[in-house]
Amino acid sequence: EAGVTQFPSHSVIEKGQTVTLRCDPISGHDNLYWYRRVMGKEIKFLLHFVKESKQDESGMPNNRFLAERTGGTYSTLKVQPAELEDSGVYFCASSLAGTVNYGYTFGSGTRLTVV
Amino acid sequence: AQSVTQLDSHVSVSEGTPVLLRCNYSSSYSPSLFWYVQHPNKGLQLLLKYTSAATLVKGINGFEAEFKKSETSFHLTKPSAHMSDAAEYFCVVSDPGMDSNYQLIWGAGTKLIIKP
Repeated sequence: EAGVTQFPSHSVIEKGQTVTLRCDPISGHDNLYWYRRVMGKEIKFLLHFVKESKQDESGMPNNRFLAERTGGTYSTLKVQPAELEDSGVYFCASSLAGTVNYGYTFGSGTRLTVV
Repeated sequence: AQSVTQLDSHVSVSEGTPVLLRCNYSSSYSPSLFWYVQHPNKGLQLLLKYTSAATLVKGINGFEAEFKKSETSFHLTKPSAHMSDAAEYFCVVSDPGMDSNYQLIWGAGTKLIIKP
């Protein structure tokens, strides 16, 4: 079984540019989550999809961030325009059920550097 | 509000000696607790989880953790460290009793260094 795949693994962009991160969950996992770790801080929840619907986007930092999951398969997270404080590692995870007791499978993350 | 405190940002032990990574949590209800590990250039991997069953939880690679409600602690231990254990470890809490029961609250992480 393929795991959760994220790409790119690294991205370096200039302030003001746009970047799109992609996450391919495990096939059949309806639940998809985005988390972020900025430098020196804890990993923080960004949002949760159930199929193509946003179940909770309370962790999205501001309207420069846009997440989509068209067709309920892969998801994209777009940052436009990127700011220096957006630098960090963006993790994606997927699960069969929506409760944490079932456990999540995480991807390797995308390391975003905004210069 | 839930929170997690990992008391050490770095822990250094010699190969073959015991490992102790400390974690304290704060939760208003009955939490679920997890330890995740991240090896360099790898994803986050679940080591073990506590979900209100046995208070001593065994995980992968010889790790275990004990849930102590009176101390609000969930320390991670291993009797004998191996070089392959060098990684960053995260203590994580979630509260299934709340509406947002799918959110994970993360500690700041502890980097485990193994000396040969």
